[in-house]
Amino acid sequence: AQKVTQAQTEISVVEKEDVTLDCVYETRDTTYYLFWYKQPPSGELVFLIRRNSFDEQNEISGRYSWNFQKSTSSFNFTITASQVVDSAVYFCALYSNSGYALNFGKGTSLLVTP
Amino acid sequence: DTGVSQDPRHKITKRGQNVTFRCDPISEHNRLYWYRQTLGQGPEFLTYFQNEAQLEKSRLLSDRFSAERPKGSFSTLEIQRTEQGDSAMYLCASSLGTSGYNEQFFGPGTRLTVL
Repeated sequence: AQKVTQAQTEISVVEKEDVTLDCVYETRDTTYYLFWYKQPPSGELVFLIRRNSFDEQNEISGRYSWNFQKSTSSFNFTITASQVVDSAVYFCALYSNSGYALNFGKGTSLLVTP
Repeated sequence: DTGVSQDPRHKITKRGQNVTFRCDPISEHNRLYWYRQTLGQGPEFLTYFQNEAQLEKSRLLSDRFSAERPKGSFSTLEIQRTEQGDSAMYLCASSLGTSGYNEQFFGPGTRLTVL
């Protein structure tokens, strides 16, 4: 069975604070892919990153960074120096060959206030 | 705009009516997915197509739901005899290639309200 858990339902921070969104996953497959998507108030899901299970290198893209740790089955997402435009719902998702499509977590709603 | 488009964006219907949604994927994307998203939840997989072939359906897709992609381009999702529990956002996504791990591009969704 595959499962993605995003324990943080809502997070509120003040602009310029750093914030980390947690993602814990479960799968029996050895080959799998992890994703993060952003869903702004407009509703359209926007792809942020994909990571495969064989690549545990952390990734940084501007103010965004991702920490993948197979030992704890986690794929956490950090936004540095948050901005109001970062306010959105963020979803972590898992794909493996035993499934057919992305398996999403319930999402974390991030509110960044000025 | 060459992204995924969905029509209509909003649909209000009375219980028992039939509704049909349309999705136009990114040109040349051979995979097309339908998801359903309810308030406070992540998208849940409904079905997907590889070109015109419907390869998998979730158990969420009851007999009242049917999806087609007749020429491997646009797709339609029909719900017959709608129920209040069908109220949700219906999302369409497309991707290039034959694997589920390829990046999926999502449309803006169709929000269905069943009264």
